[in-house]
Formats: sequence, C-alpha cells, structure tokens
Amino acid sequence: QKEVEQNSGPLSVPEGAIASLNCTYSDRGSQSFFWYRQYSGKSPELIMSIYSNGDKEDGRFTAQLNKASQYVSLLIRDSQPSDSATYLCAVNLSNTGNQFYFGTGTSLTVIP
Amino acid sequence: KAGVTQTPRYLIKTRGQQVTLSCSPISGHRSVSWYQQTPGQGLQFLFEYFSETQRNKGNFPGRFSGRQFSNSRSEMNVSTLELGDSALYLCASSLRRELYGYTFGSGTRLTVV
Repeated sequence: QKEVEQNSGPLSVPEGAIASLNCTYSDRGSQSFFWYRQYSGKSPELIMSIYSNGDKEDGRFTAQLNKASQYVSLLIRDSQPSDSATYLCAVNLSNTGNQFYFGTGTSLTVIP
Repeated sequence: KAGVTQTPRYLIKTRGQQVTLSCSPISGHRSVSWYQQTPGQGLQFLFEYFSETQRNKGNFPGRFSGRQFSNSRSEMNVSTLELGDSALYLCASSLRRELYGYTFGSGTRLTVV
C-alpha cells in the first residue's frame, strides 16, 4: 500500500454540485492532514488542514477525517468552474520520521 | 510578506551536466523541503532541512543532494543529469509543518536534453 492514496480521477461535476475527493493513508499514528489545490502550470497552495476526527468547514470547503478508517476527504459545495484543478492530499506520516507525503492528486473539472 | 522564491524558473541542461537550484524560504521559516513533480509520479519527496541539518531524505539516488545555509536559504544539486530528471522541482517552507503545512515556491522547471 502506498503511504498516501487518492483516486486519480478525473472527476467531473456540474457547476453547483458537490465534489467529493477522497484520500487514504497508511500510518495509523499520523496526526496532521492537509489539502492542497494545484492549478495547471502553478504550484500547490494549501486550502485546508485538519487534525481531529470529524468535520472542519471553511467556506464552501469541508474536510472530513476518520482516523480509525485512515481516511480523509474534501467536500466542495456549490462547485464553481474556478474550482477546476488537481487536489492533493498530504499527510504528516509519523512512522517515517514525520515526513510529509503527498498523494498523486485528483483532477477535478467543474462543468459550467 | 514575500513568499518562497525559487531561482531560476526554467533551465535547460544537457545529459551529464550538473545543476544547482536555489530556494529562499519565507522569512522566519526554518523548515525547507524539496519535491520533484512529474506527470506520472506526482510529488516525490527529495529532502527536508531544518536549521542547516538534513532531517529527512527521500528515495532518490546520491546524484541528488542539498544543503541549507544559516539564513535558511537552501540549494539542491543534481549531478550527472539524466533525461529522467526532467521535472518541476518545488521548494516549500514552513514555520512548523505539522501544524501549518507547507508554502510552496513557483518551482524550477528543469528540462534535460
């Protein structure tokens, strides 16, 4: 199993719909989880962080964490064409000396 | 507040040459990491530095090396370049990565011909 896994997609949703992005990780002891957005030709930018089980909301974005299932997700409500990007999940893996591992990303396209 | 600055933005090198990439982190950030990004492999961790010490190293050959200076600026070097080294090299800095995550620079696009 890879340290951090994401569905590569691509994922297409109509404008106004909810986009759901998923990520699983290998180390049960991991404590920090992040979502990055990367537009084509640009570098990744941090959009959400989550540390505790449950939901964390920030505007149209909700991060969900389930440590027992080793699963973290990102929901984007009222998706906009400007949300079209690749979304990267990052985990601070405690079993690798706290290395920061990224998933390969999920490409999201929001169709007007 | 200035972001993470990487130079140069673009590089074209020939196989067998060596290259040095530079990164200036956000002021006050002592943690600097380097990543290689390719379409097929995603973001691959190269190394992490904290206060001039290499804290972690990814699974790359010894041709890839790096260092960090006392002002937290960092450089990475790739010797004996191969075609497969063509990639976007990203530098990222953080105050405390486990709390705040990383802020990335714009990257250096290296093409090996």
